[in-house]
Amino acid sequence: AQSVTQPDARVTVSEGASLQLRCKYSYSGTPYLFWYVQYPRQGLQLLLKYYSGDPVVQGVNGFEAEFIKSNSSFHLRKASVHWSDSAVYFCAVSANYGNEKITFGAGTKLTIKP
Amino acid sequence: GGIITQTPKFLIGQEGQKLTLKCQQNFNHDTMYWYRQDSGKGLRLIYYSITENDLQKGDLSEGYDASREKKSSFSLTVTSAQKNEMAVFLCASSPRGVEVFFGKGTRLTVV
Repeated sequence: AQSVTQPDARVTVSEGASLQLRCKYSYSGTPYLFWYVQYPRQGLQLLLKYYSGDPVVQGVNGFEAEFIKSNSSFHLRKASVHWSDSAVYFCAVSANYGNEKITFGAGTKLTIKP
Repeated sequence: GGIITQTPKFLIGQEGQKLTLKCQQNFNHDTMYWYRQDSGKGLRLIYYSITENDLQKGDLSEGYDASREKKSSFSLTVTSAQKNEMAVFLCASSPRGVEVFFGKGTRLTVV
């Protein structure tokens, strides 16, 4: 069975500071990995995805994530956060052979301090 | 581009009532999903369907039924609404298990 753990339910960061949101997954094979963002009163939007190749993937708005297979991790990073980055961030995993079950973590609520 | 339309946007039901939520997508995606979003618990998969007339149980299928009679539509039924239940139900679709596209949700309140 596949699963995702986001150990930090809430993270607060000062504007302009760097950010890391943690994600650990459990899956026996090589996964597809995703980060989604949910802004207040909006639907979920894809931030970035990893399928294969370069383990560091770039997303929208300066976000990136690194797939570390040995650690079963896919942490999200941003060098300098902006107040508009305040949102809930979800990590997700699916099998790479198309069984098509996509499992999400519990989410991390990010608050940016002025 | 495409869109996922969920109806209704808000649903108020009574305890024990059977309630149906509907979802339509015009992406022509094969796979569709129903997730439940509760505060602090993230998104939990209820049912998914990889093609017309297919149904696969997710991690939270107890208390729900689903139906996929057409490729473009996927409905979810709460078989017996629980008192004081509040949650957002999200429909999504995907081209064969990669990148998921979400609807805006149906917010359920049970009185």
